[in-house]
Amino acid sequence: NAGVTQTPKFRILKIGQSMTLQCAQDMNHNYMYWYRQDPGMGLKLIYYSVGAGITDKGEVPNGYNVSRSTTEDFPLRLELAAPSQTSVYFCASSSYRHGAAHTDTQYFGPGTRLTVL
Amino acid sequence: KQEVTQIPAALSVPEGENLVLNCSFTDSAIYNLQWFRQDPGKGLTSLLLIQSSQREQTSGRLNASLDKSSGRSTLYIAASQPGDSATYLCAVLAGGTSYGKLTFGQGTILTVHP
Repeated sequence: NAGVTQTPKFRILKIGQSMTLQCAQDMNHNYMYWYRQDPGMGLKLIYYSVGAGITDKGEVPNGYNVSRSTTEDFPLRLELAAPSQTSVYFCASSSYRHGAAHTDTQYFGPGTRLTVL
Repeated sequence: KQEVTQIPAALSVPEGENLVLNCSFTDSAIYNLQWFRQDPGKGLTSLLLIQSSQREQTSGRLNASLDKSSGRSTLYIAASQPGDSATYLCAVLAGGTSYGKLTFGQGTILTVHP
C-alpha cells in the first residue's frame, strides 16, 4: 500500500512552458485534492475532485487545470508557467463516509517542488 | 470565508520544556479540526483530529483542545524533545456544501534545542 504518490519530486520550468504533475492513490478514496504551499505559508486548495469525472475549483485555481478519469489518478496541468507558480505542490486524498464525516482526514503525498524561472 | 491563524509563527525552546501552540478560526461551522506535522521537504502527517463535538484529544505527549464556540484550538506538547522540531499546521474541515475542503493556518515552526 503506497498511499499517495507524486511525480516528479523536483522540476524547474522556464516561463511559458507547460507540465503535468502526477498524483496517484491506491486507497480507493473518492475525494482527491491539489494544494500549493508557498514559503512560510499554509496550504491553499487549487482544485479538488469528489469522484471520477467530477472536479471543482478551490481557492486558487487560476493557471491550472485538472482531470479525473479514474479513481486512482488526479493529474494537475500547468499551462504557460509563470514565476508566481513557483511553489511546493501537494496532492491528497480522503474517503467520504456518510455519517462519519466528522472523523475524516486527508492523506498527503510527499510533494513536488516546482521552480519557474 | 474561513480564515485560520496560528500563533506564534516560530518558537524556539530548550529540550524538556512544555509548550503550547495556538490556532484560531473564524467560522465555527466545522466538521473537525486537525493538527498536522510537516518535516522539511516532506509531506504532512496527521497528529490529532478533534471532532466538532469533542473538547480534546490526546496522543502520547500531545494534547489538543477545541473550543468551537470561541474558534480556538491549542496543541500542548509535554517534555519537548529535539525530534519534535518541525512545522505544525492547524486545519479545519468545512461542513455543509463546502464539505471536504481543508483550510490551513500558516503554521508554527518549532525548534527544540538540546
